[in-house]
Amino acid sequence: AQTVTQSQPEMSVQEAETVTLSCTYDTSESDYYLFWYKQPPSRQMILVIRQEAYKQQNATENRFSVNFQKAAKSFSLKISDSQLGDAAMYFCAYSNYNFNKFYFGSGTKLNVKP
Amino acid sequence: SQTIHQWPATLVQPVGSPLSLECTVEGTSNPNLYWYRQAAGRGLQLLFYSVGIGQISSEVPQNLSASRPQDRQFILSSKKLLLSDSGFYLCAWDRGASGNTIYFGEGSWLTVV
Repeated sequence: AQTVTQSQPEMSVQEAETVTLSCTYDTSESDYYLFWYKQPPSRQMILVIRQEAYKQQNATENRFSVNFQKAAKSFSLKISDSQLGDAAMYFCAYSNYNFNKFYFGSGTKLNVKP
Repeated sequence: SQTIHQWPATLVQPVGSPLSLECTVEGTSNPNLYWYRQAAGRGLQLLFYSVGIGQISSEVPQNLSASRPQDRQFILSSKKLLLSDSGFYLCAWDRGASGNTIYFGEGSWLTVV
């Protein structure tokens, strides 16, 4: 089975600063999808950003962007101009091309300091 | 629009008792369905996934089972709960190859005492 690894259990960032969350994954497939999800205290999972493996261009979504390194199997999330509302658990996720399996990392808790 | 509901939201059950968590999806057909467990302070563990009625795949051996009696209904069950079954359970769905992300239910808190 594919594995997703998030090596940072917890991180802190000052409000308005930039923070990068790390994620690595293991797969033998060439086509797949990668995601970052946010889980606030309410526990609802919210999609932050999505990347198709066949696209070389890094995905961006407002203040959120990724650094996708396919050869290194690395998929980091950069949050610019951090806001208090960004405080949450962030999960990196992998899906195969057929979208019949989703795997998640163990999560990184992000604290935002005012 | 598509919606996903799971219930009950909170459950406290004694060790050895049975379990039934139910999940339904509305507004779509033939979705892929998933059950995940999130133990306290840990990530999401894929328990079961289903690509169609009666088709269930298990990712990890455990005390739990899943069933899909209807296209948009996914049930997580146990005959005898263990203390280690406590956790937050999330049902989820996606559209399969034509989709672009996975959608989660509200979650169910299970405490086994």
